[in-house]
Amino acid sequence: DVKVTQSSRYLVKRTGEKVFLECVQDMDHENMFWYRQDPGLGLRLIYFSYDVKMKEKGDIPEGYSVSREKKERFSLILESASTNQTSMYLCASTLTTSNTQYFGPGTRLLVL
Amino acid sequence: QKEVEQDPGPLSVPEGAIVSLNCTYSNSAFQYFMWYRQYSRKGPELLMYTYSSGNKEDGRFTAQVDKSSKYISLFIRDSQPSDSATYLCAMSAGSGNTGKLIFGQGTTLQVKP
Repeated sequence: DVKVTQSSRYLVKRTGEKVFLECVQDMDHENMFWYRQDPGLGLRLIYFSYDVKMKEKGDIPEGYSVSREKKERFSLILESASTNQTSMYLCASTLTTSNTQYFGPGTRLLVL
Repeated sequence: QKEVEQDPGPLSVPEGAIVSLNCTYSNSAFQYFMWYRQYSRKGPELLMYTYSSGNKEDGRFTAQVDKSSKYISLFIRDSQPSDSATYLCAMSAGSGNTGKLIFGQGTTLQVKP
């Protein structure tokens, strides 16, 4: 079974803090994705990566950066957290030859 | 206009009912269609996967794609309280590196005992 894990289920941070969200997958998937999910807005793609050290902007990259130093790990960074970044953050991965994405359990981030 | 439209509901049905969930889309290049189920406070999990037009059945679940109408459906027969979740449709024009998924907003379903 594919397993995608995320470092935290719940996080509470202060405005202006730097926040790291980590995602690890154990199936040797090349592609990894970060989404945020908000009521009424559905899933929105923040960044994705097709390979180590490679990244592509999604639909809403502003205020976020990512890092992929190892194939299995994809990190999302909020350089200076703001209250409008309070959301559910979901990581997903997939093989290059597939478009079936496997999701982690999500991280609920609250920025005060 | 969004590329993928999905009625967010909520949809409430009695146990045993047949449920119909739908999405419409505007991009005629979409060829791969998926349904994900997401339980409260969990990540989405793949439920059904269909390529191009036609029907696919898996137990109580049937996925239908009508490319001519740009319309996809998920039917749940004999619905159970354990089916209560948010259902997300997703679609893609290609597989792999070209296959970025576009998601619907999700429909929240409640099946009452």
